[in-house]
Amino acid sequence: DTAVSQTPKYLVTQMGNDKSIKCEQNLGHDTMYWYKQDSKKFLKIMFSYNNKELIINETVPNRFSPKSPDKAHLNLHINSLELGDSAVYFCASSLRVKGTDTQYFGPGTRLTVL
Amino acid sequence: DAKTTQPNSMESNEEEPVHLPCNHSTISGTDYIHWYRQLPSQGPEYVIHGLTSNVNNRMASLAIAEDRKSSTLILHRATLRDAAVYYCILSGPNFGNEKLTFGTGTRLTIIP
Repeated sequence: DTAVSQTPKYLVTQMGNDKSIKCEQNLGHDTMYWYKQDSKKFLKIMFSYNNKELIINETVPNRFSPKSPDKAHLNLHINSLELGDSAVYFCASSLRVKGTDTQYFGPGTRLTVL
Repeated sequence: DAKTTQPNSMESNEEEPVHLPCNHSTISGTDYIHWYRQLPSQGPEYVIHGLTSNVNNRMASLAIAEDRKSSTLILHRATLRDAAVYYCILSGPNFGNEKLTFGTGTRLTIIP
């Protein structure tokens, strides 16, 4: 059973479009995250949610809007896509919002903006 | 955020032990030391973490210096599957300090 899953795996789209990436975890965790890994392979946190509430928003442009319909899902909607949004996006989850808890990552969604 | 310093890359022969160093001289008393690794084209995966004492699990061992300013991840018998980027990360136990700040990591190459 996949612990943290993301769809789609690949997403190719034009500049200016709006797209969504979905994430689901079946681990019963309370906390979920979105990370972005750019072309230089730097991995940076974007958001974290705990029990559907936003905890961390790391100065991400407001074109990015996370939505958590329930604590097992954290989707990422991106409006007006730009070339610089091209990256691999990883979803993760942890049992609680504590730095001692292991984070489990999904396989990633490679977004290419043309 | 407390920072970590790791070598950019290391090589090791297959079936030999690997020692991956990490310096974290500004670590605070409540920071935990975590190691994650990222295999090619995959998401990061947890390897091990510790606070003060050395830790062992089925994947690796973590040796933490007495002053906690450095640590070493030990892979006892490297396999080709261990080729990955290894990240040494500090995070605190308190609410709001749960985010993982990834550095550049160490790219480990295993030589058959």
